[in-house]
Amino acid sequence: EPEVTQTPSHQVTQMGQEVILRCVPISNHLYFYWYRQILGQKVEFLVSFYNNEISEKSEIFDDQFSVERPDGSNFTLKIRSTKLEDSAMYFCASRGPWGTDTQYFGPGTRLTVL
Amino acid sequence: AQSVTQLDSHVSVSEGTPVLLRCNYSSSYSPSLFWYVQHPNKGLQLLLKYTSAATLVKGINGFEAEFKKSETSFHLTKPSAHMSDAAEYFCVVSDPIAGKSTFGDGTTLTVKP
Repeated sequence: EPEVTQTPSHQVTQMGQEVILRCVPISNHLYFYWYRQILGQKVEFLVSFYNNEISEKSEIFDDQFSVERPDGSNFTLKIRSTKLEDSAMYFCASRGPWGTDTQYFGPGTRLTVL
Repeated sequence: AQSVTQLDSHVSVSEGTPVLLRCNYSSSYSPSLFWYVQHPNKGLQLLLKYTSAATLVKGINGFEAEFKKSETSFHLTKPSAHMSDAAEYFCVVSDPIAGKSTFGDGTTLTVKP
């Protein structure tokens, strides 16, 4: 069964450094999402992406964050200058064409900012 | 606008007894509703979903949920808990247009031997 993959599974970085989290969505999906889960808290929406542009973003998704679909398969989340509070599990998700409703989540990348 | 309220942050049951995890939702649309399970240090696994077909939805591992529009509820049940069911459970409502998902705070299920 097709699945969403994410790399790396765990990323450790120093405060102020840039990180790029990578996701490979399911191949025929058209809608892409990033969510984050701070340890012990609920999963929060960050951003949705469709047709090569952001369709919606939350207040968490400030100028330090950006997303890109650089080729036909990858979907990336970049954090320009990481802060301690960016430490979290980041989940990528993808969804099929309009009219389908199920988002398929990747296994997550655990980001630790020191 | 949409929101989800999971009514219990922790539920503890004995192995072999029924499980009930409660969820209420609010949505401006005809909602799509989901339950996901997260085992420690693992990703999110889809248990089941409701998308305007049958109101009683069966999922994996013996779980099921009933959509009750009049009560705006989507409670998750299982007749007999197993030790492997111990995990965090999230009720999720999804915007059928943009697809953005809103998660509940989660319910931690503990299963005692």
